[in-house]
Amino acid sequence: GQNIDQPTEMTATEGAIVQINCTYQTSGFNGLFWYQQHAGEAPTFLSYNVLDGLEEKGRFSSFLSRSKGYSYLLLKELQMKDSASYLCAARSGNTGKLIFGQGTTLQVKP
Amino acid sequence: DVKVTQSSRYLVKRTGEKVFLECVQDMDHENMFWYRQDPGLGLRLIYFSYDVKMKEKGDIPEGYSVSREKKERFSLILESASTNQTSMYLCASKRAEVGSQPQHFGDGTRLSIL
Repeated sequence: GQNIDQPTEMTATEGAIVQINCTYQTSGFNGLFWYQQHAGEAPTFLSYNVLDGLEEKGRFSSFLSRSKGYSYLLLKELQMKDSASYLCAARSGNTGKLIFGQGTTLQVKP
Repeated sequence: DVKVTQSSRYLVKRTGEKVFLECVQDMDHENMFWYRQDPGLGLRLIYFSYDVKMKEKGDIPEGYSVSREKKERFSLILESASTNQTSMYLCASKRAEVGSQPQHFGDGTRLSIL
């Protein structure tokens, strides 16, 4: 079966660090994407992992463990503009198809 | 920058109408996708297209059809709209050759069926 789980909501404080977890069970797993979506806007690409380990991009990092079916998105030095939904999506096989989790709504408070 | 344009941001239609949602991309991408996004359910794939005139069903194709006559345009058709098709519809495109390439999304069409 195909299943992706991530928390529905999280709250964090401006300037802090937050980790958004994602677990997946996907046949033919072939990579994991993270997207950011502000309310009423299109999802925008944040990161991609296909091998185990950490990928860092400025304030955002993403980690993947294929053996555990687990990924996380780490946001450092949180800013108010980071308040958004964060979508975890697994690629299945060699197609461009993605399976999305329900998304995690992050609220950053002053 | 990749530009994916959906024809309407907001649309209101009546039950039983035939509804067309249009999506155009300007980056010569082979793959195009239609999703619906509902609270608590995330993005669910309705249909996708690998290339011109090619289409495959996604996870929830019932009540929908698609058309891809030109590479840049992918249309979603609600054959006979029903109230349970009220949703946010998102179109996306990506280049075919490299799997690590992300999908690029349009701004979405919020469709209400009355």
